[in-house]
Amino acid sequence: AQSVTQLGSHVSVSEGALVLLRCNYSSSVPPYLFWYVQYPNQGLQLLLKYTTGATLVKGINGFEAEFKKSETSFHLTKPSAHMSDAAEYFCAVSAAAGNKLTFGGGTRVLVKP
Amino acid sequence: DADVTQTPRNRITKTGKRIMLECSQTKGHDRMYWYRQDPGLGLRLIYYSFDVKDINKGEISDGYSVSRQAQAKFSLSLESAIPNQTALYFCATSARQGKGATHQPQHFGDGTRLSIL
Repeated sequence: AQSVTQLGSHVSVSEGALVLLRCNYSSSVPPYLFWYVQYPNQGLQLLLKYTTGATLVKGINGFEAEFKKSETSFHLTKPSAHMSDAAEYFCAVSAAAGNKLTFGGGTRVLVKP
Repeated sequence: DADVTQTPRNRITKTGKRIMLECSQTKGHDRMYWYRQDPGLGLRLIYYSFDVKDINKGEISDGYSVSRQAQAKFSLSLESAIPNQTALYFCATSARQGKGATHQPQHFGDGTRLSIL
């Protein structure tokens, strides 16, 4: 069984400030980890993924995430927030052997000018 | 044009009605999924299909059924809709994970907002 916990259902950041979204997972097998973003009235888009190899993963739009096995975490960061980053972000985990995703509850990001 | 198309985009209906949500894709993917999204709960898997003859229940399949009419089409039905099925529904697709291949990401449609009165 696998599960994902996202700390904070809402995050407010100022434009230009660091964005940090927290994700912790549990998985009985080595996990594949994902961050997706959802803009209003749209489906989810893949931001980045960790499968194997380098633990620091770079994604689109300046986002990156670091896989820390000892902490069972996969936090998402962006050094400088932009107004266009306002969206809802979902962390997800998948077992290595399959492709079923288990999602966290989501974190809605508000960017203040 | 969207690679994963869901119809309708919005639907309001009454308790007890039968509802069908449709999903079609032009990505050529073998795998298709149906999720529902509820505030604070993220997305939860309803059904998934790894090919036309392979359909599987997800974590919340009760009250739902699916049909994989072709590789490109995957429908979700609510046989007798109830108010707690009011949610945002998403269809997603992914390529088959080949031997040694990296994990294939899922591609989502824009969703169907379903309200059951």
